[in-house]
Amino acid sequence: DAGVIQSPRHEVTEMGQEVTLRCKPISGHNSLFWYRQTMMRGLELLIYFNNNVPIDDSGMPEDRFSAKMPNASFSTLKIQPSEPRDSAVYFCASSISGTTHTQYFGPGTRLTVL
Amino acid sequence: GQQLNQSPQSMFIQEGEDVSMNCTSSSIFNTWLWYKQDPGEGPVLLIALYKAGELTSNGRLTAQFGTTRKDSFLNISASIPSDVGIYFCAGQLRNFGAGKSTFGDGTTLTVKP
Repeated sequence: DAGVIQSPRHEVTEMGQEVTLRCKPISGHNSLFWYRQTMMRGLELLIYFNNNVPIDDSGMPEDRFSAKMPNASFSTLKIQPSEPRDSAVYFCASSISGTTHTQYFGPGTRLTVL
Repeated sequence: GQQLNQSPQSMFIQEGEDVSMNCTSSSIFNTWLWYKQDPGEGPVLLIALYKAGELTSNGRLTAQFGTTRKDSFLNISASIPSDVGIYFCAGQLRNFGAGKSTFGDGTTLTVKP
């Protein structure tokens, strides 16, 4: 069975450019989470969705970040404009609502903003 | 907000040794989780704990939910080289913002053959 799929795996961009990270959750999972991991701040929850609806976006750092989930099988995290301090590994995870402790993580997207 | 303090930050051990690490919180959690992250991969859930005092094993791994609900412990017995990685604890308040996990900063484990 396919796990959580993220693309791209690596992204290098220049400051000011728009970045779009993509996630396909595990089929049948109805909760989706976006995390950011850095050496300084560890693993931070940015936003999570339940049944395609954003439930808590309090972790989104600022207005430059936005996330959408247009359907049950696809989500995007967009940064516009990107800044060097956005460089991090971004993980997407999915789970079945009601068992939300069992989150399955994707392999992550390593973002470098020059 | 809630914070988790995970210790030690890193460990260098010899193959075959036992490992202990712990996680403490300034507030109560109703669920404790332990994850392992290999280089270049996302975290993978190892053990989930739901009740204060609960002791759960997964192979050579044993984790405990502290009786105060503010801490948790993970032990690895007879370590092997593939145990290398970063171990994270995470706490959840099941009745608040369902699905939100607060993560510790991780314990990096190195096992020398």
